[in-house]
Amino acid sequence: DTAVSQTPKYLVTQMGNDKSIKCEQNLGHDTMYWYKQDSKKFLKIMFSYNNKELIINETVPNRFSPKSPDKAHLNLHINSLELGDSAVYFCASSPLYGADTQYFGPGTRLTVL
Amino acid sequence: KNEVEQSPQNLTAQEGEFITINCSYSVGISALHWLQQHPGGGIVSLFMLSSGKKKHGRLIATINIQEKHSSLHITASHPRDSAVYICAVRSRAYGGSQGNLIFGKGTKLSVKP
Repeated sequence: DTAVSQTPKYLVTQMGNDKSIKCEQNLGHDTMYWYKQDSKKFLKIMFSYNNKELIINETVPNRFSPKSPDKAHLNLHINSLELGDSAVYFCASSPLYGADTQYFGPGTRLTVL
Repeated sequence: KNEVEQSPQNLTAQEGEFITINCSYSVGISALHWLQQHPGGGIVSLFMLSSGKKKHGRLIATINIQEKHSSLHITASHPRDSAVYICAVRSRAYGGSQGNLIFGKGTKLSVKP
């Protein structure tokens, strides 16, 4: 069974649309994360979330919002998509916030046309 | 200047060679991670360390907190080691009660048979 899964794997959409990427982990971890990897392969944290605290990277536009229906899921909603949002988005989880190895999902390649 | 610097950016080695990848950072950290990103895009966490040295198979990671430097060594390299190796540090300087992760730009390793 896949530990951290993301859907969809590929997402192609038009500028201005609203889209969501789903992430699920079956590891029983308390903390989940969203990362963005740009065209230069540079990874950047977007959000860290456990059931007590949401940490937002201040450079992330407020068009991006994480939503967690339960501990096993952290979905990423993006409003009014822009060309610069094109990237690969990785979800990850860890047993505890801040001190543990992270387990990454396979990534979602988002292309905004 | 990046907050996390890796060297070299690209590395080509012959099978069997001993490989060293370096990572330097500029702030106090609570932990340092080494990640491996396969050519297909998947990311695997290799090590998390806050002091000393860790070994897993042919991989060895060391960290010198005083010098703000870490190295990843691969012994008896193999073509299947070809990947991008990414260093990341966790520090409260980057936000969050436990500190967020900041990533280096990665070192692309190619091991020739």
